[in-house]
Amino acid sequence: DSGVTQTPKHLITATGQRVTLRCSPRSGDLSVYWYQQSLDQGLQFLIQYYNGEERAKGNILERFSAQQFPDLHSELNLSSLELGDSALYFCASSNPLDRMNDGYTFGSGTRLTVV
Amino acid sequence: GDSVTQMEGPVTLSEEAFLTINCTYTATGYPSLFWYVQYPGEGLQLLLKATKADDKGSNKGFEATYRKETTSFHLEKGSVQVSDSAVYFCALNPWTAGNMLTFGGGTRLMVKP
Repeated sequence: DSGVTQTPKHLITATGQRVTLRCSPRSGDLSVYWYQQSLDQGLQFLIQYYNGEERAKGNILERFSAQQFPDLHSELNLSSLELGDSALYFCASSNPLDRMNDGYTFGSGTRLTVV
Repeated sequence: GDSVTQMEGPVTLSEEAFLTINCTYTATGYPSLFWYVQYPGEGLQLLLKATKADDKGSNKGFEATYRKETTSFHLEKGSVQVSDSAVYFCALNPWTAGNMLTFGGGTRLMVKP
């Protein structure tokens, strides 16, 4: 158990629908990052939050949005889903103030299948 | 900007063979360097890291040395096992605002018995 919890583990939904993915960061971590991983294995950075505020944006579609709540958990909302949105979605967390542990801790991911 | 380049896979080896996965980077300053491993069906796990030039990170028989002169952080293992089959990601943390890691494209390793 990495300490980063993602739910649900699997999600199957139809095109045009909306889903919400949830992430609880490791205790003490203030930053949350969302990544999309497609079949070709590459990691696509979507968005970062730090202590409730959006910090950086990557190649996130307008149909996607995210937020980080006061308890530091984060949700990624995907709407008007298309077949091409089928992928693994990972959440990672870090504590940017801890130079000794400056990597990310990843959750086990949510596998989204759009049919 | 910062970037990480890894050798393309898949890399296919027989059990007990020597492994090298090349990783080179471009960054200003003195980034931290990482190798992450992703086993089938799982998230990424930190394998090893190095925070300054000439540091050697090691874990589970894997090693990588931070070479500033060649801007490289190649991953090596002397004798691979079937259980090492996974995707390996090289990454850097430039320690600029935001603590953003930059990842390479990943290298799939397949080890055959």
